[in-house]
Amino acid sequence: NAGVTQTPKFQVLKTGQSMTLQCAQDMNHEYMSWYRQDPGMGLRLIHYSVGAGITDQGEVPNGYNVSRSTTEDFPLRLLSAAPSQTSVYFCASRRPGQYNEQFFGPGTRLTVL
Amino acid sequence: GQQVMQIPQYQHVQEGEDFTTYCNSSTTLSNIQWYKQRPGGHPVFLIQLVKSGEVKKQKRLTFQFGEAKKNSSLHITATQTTDVGTYFCAGPESSSGAGSYQLTFGKGTKLSVIP
Repeated sequence: NAGVTQTPKFQVLKTGQSMTLQCAQDMNHEYMSWYRQDPGMGLRLIHYSVGAGITDQGEVPNGYNVSRSTTEDFPLRLLSAAPSQTSVYFCASRRPGQYNEQFFGPGTRLTVL
Repeated sequence: GQQVMQIPQYQHVQEGEDFTTYCNSSTTLSNIQWYKQRPGGHPVFLIQLVKSGEVKKQKRLTFQFGEAKKNSSLHITATQTTDVGTYFCAGPESSSGAGSYQLTFGKGTKLSVIP
């Protein structure tokens, strides 16, 4: 099993550009989430999904869109990149319920100039 | 919503010294999970505590869950350079769907070990 994979590993964008961060998991997990990590801010939830076709907003959703057409994939779209979106982005997945651990992808380091 | 607070934010220790990080939740938790993130890496699951007052050990790491299930701690005995990283606690929070839970993470404690 590859676990949770993310592409690209690194990305530099100019302000106003759009892009999609890819995330895939091969563990058949229903739950998937996107986090951003900034120094001193911990892991902040952007969007999450509890199954194909179902998404919801987390703590910091503005400027980001998601969709979940399959169980495996959960892409994160930046509509019009801003310098404030410079961050490390982690995708994660887990089985439903309260007691299951979360598996994280390796992350995408994004810089917006 | 639920808040999970961790202290300290940073800790610098000499190799061989002990280290403790504390986690406090604003609500009673059904369980608490601990994760470790090495520098440049991603968070990796360490352990889950479920029972009130539970204590679990992994080699030099000791994890405790408070009696009221609102606080937890991670203690490392005789730190080594391999312990460097950020330690996060996380607790489940009910989200929009019935029976749906998201994990709320603390901000983490960044541990530096001076050789």
